[in-house]
Amino acid sequence: DAKTTQPNSMESNEEEPVHLPCNHSTISGTDYIHWYRQLPSQGPEYVIHGLTSNVNNRMASLAIAEDRKSSTLILHRATLRDAAVYYCIITSGTYKYIFGTGTRLKVLA
Amino acid sequence: NAGVTQTPKFRVLKTGQSMTLLCAQDMNHEYMYWYRQDPGMGLRLIHYSVGEGTTAKGEVPDGYNVSRLKKQNFLLGLESAAPSQTSVYFCASRTGTLNGEQFFGPGTRLTVL
Repeated sequence: DAKTTQPNSMESNEEEPVHLPCNHSTISGTDYIHWYRQLPSQGPEYVIHGLTSNVNNRMASLAIAEDRKSSTLILHRATLRDAAVYYCIITSGTYKYIFGTGTRLKVLA
Repeated sequence: NAGVTQTPKFRVLKTGQSMTLLCAQDMNHEYMYWYRQDPGMGLRLIHYSVGEGTTAKGEVPDGYNVSRLKKQNFLLGLESAAPSQTSVYFCASRTGTLNGEQFFGPGTRLTVL
């Protein structure tokens, strides 16, 4: 399974955009990129996923580098409720989702 | 829909005791997972199942057993609990489509004294 590297923590001001980076230099051609987040004292929840093209949904956008060795989760306007740990996960066609330690996002009012 | 539910929510065990954690999902999902999360850490996969009657080992399977006798239920057993198994346990399920979204339960907080 491809390994991911994320910063341990990031801070953002409320109502400003947030860009959360993830490096996955060993990603293979058929591997998907997933993002989940975990709010305090809750189980993780799905945010977004993609393969090659950039993806948008109601929660966030996913920007994937052309060589696919990195990606960025974009929260367009951070709110206090977005404070969470964000996990970048690479799936390789297996059934396993391997979570790393993620990025803890702090949103400042 | 209740989604993914876990029983119990909290449990305290003494070293050497056994217990079973129950995960139930009402979404007719094929795949189910058990993770553990230690303080300040990410989730680690214990066991998973790709269908009724099948199970497989994840990253940290030692000390745990699982069973998937019914599609909607995935049981995690600790035969002889150890303090190192003190953790929060999360169950998840997803559809059988490749890269389907995982839905997580609320977690079970287990303390082994």
